[in-house]
Amino acid sequence: AQSVTQLGSHVSVSEGALVLLRCNYSSSVPPYLFWYVQYPNQGLQLLLKYTSAATLVKGINGFEAEFKKSETSFHLTKPSAHMSDAAEYFCAVSDYEYGNKLVFGAGTILRVKS
Amino acid sequence: DTGVSQDPRHKITKRGQNVTFRCDPISEHNRLYWYRQTLGQGPEFLTYFQNEAQLEKSRLLSDRFSAERPKGSFSTLEIQRTEQGDSAMYLCASSLGNEQFFGPGTRLTVL
Repeated sequence: AQSVTQLGSHVSVSEGALVLLRCNYSSSVPPYLFWYVQYPNQGLQLLLKYTSAATLVKGINGFEAEFKKSETSFHLTKPSAHMSDAAEYFCAVSDYEYGNKLVFGAGTILRVKS
Repeated sequence: DTGVSQDPRHKITKRGQNVTFRCDPISEHNRLYWYRQTLGQGPEFLTYFQNEAQLEKSRLLSDRFSAERPKGSFSTLEIQRTEQGDSAMYLCASSLGNEQFFGPGTRLTVL
């Protein structure tokens, strides 16, 4: 069965600093991996996805993530944080053998300090 | 707006009452998913449909929960005899391929 671990339930960075949100996955088959962002009282918005093509994936709002099979990781980065990046971020793995249902991590709340 | 919509956005009910939520997916999407999200947690899978067929249900979906997608378009999720532990955000998503598009969610509060 698939699972996702997000290291750090809260991350705080200064505006303009590097953002690094960590995600490790467990999967018995080659995974599809996703990062979603959630603003308060809203649904989830897809930031980027990995589906076995390029290992470095670029997403919206300047975010990117690198798939590292040897480390079973899919960390999310952004070179320079903006105040508008403050939100909760979820890493997810897709179980494509079972209808592509998503298995989510517990989430990381990103705080951006001015 | 052609995104996923959910109704209502908020529902407050008393313990023991029945509630029903509706999800309207993106029109050409054949798959529809329901997830539940409690405070401080990531969404958890409840069930999914391919067209009108309900293909999988999570163990989280007790007998008090039922979901339908009668014509392969909109879906409803009903909770009977609500309990305080049912308080959560209920998220709907739809897809055609491997990317799921989420609605804004229905926040349920059971008093």
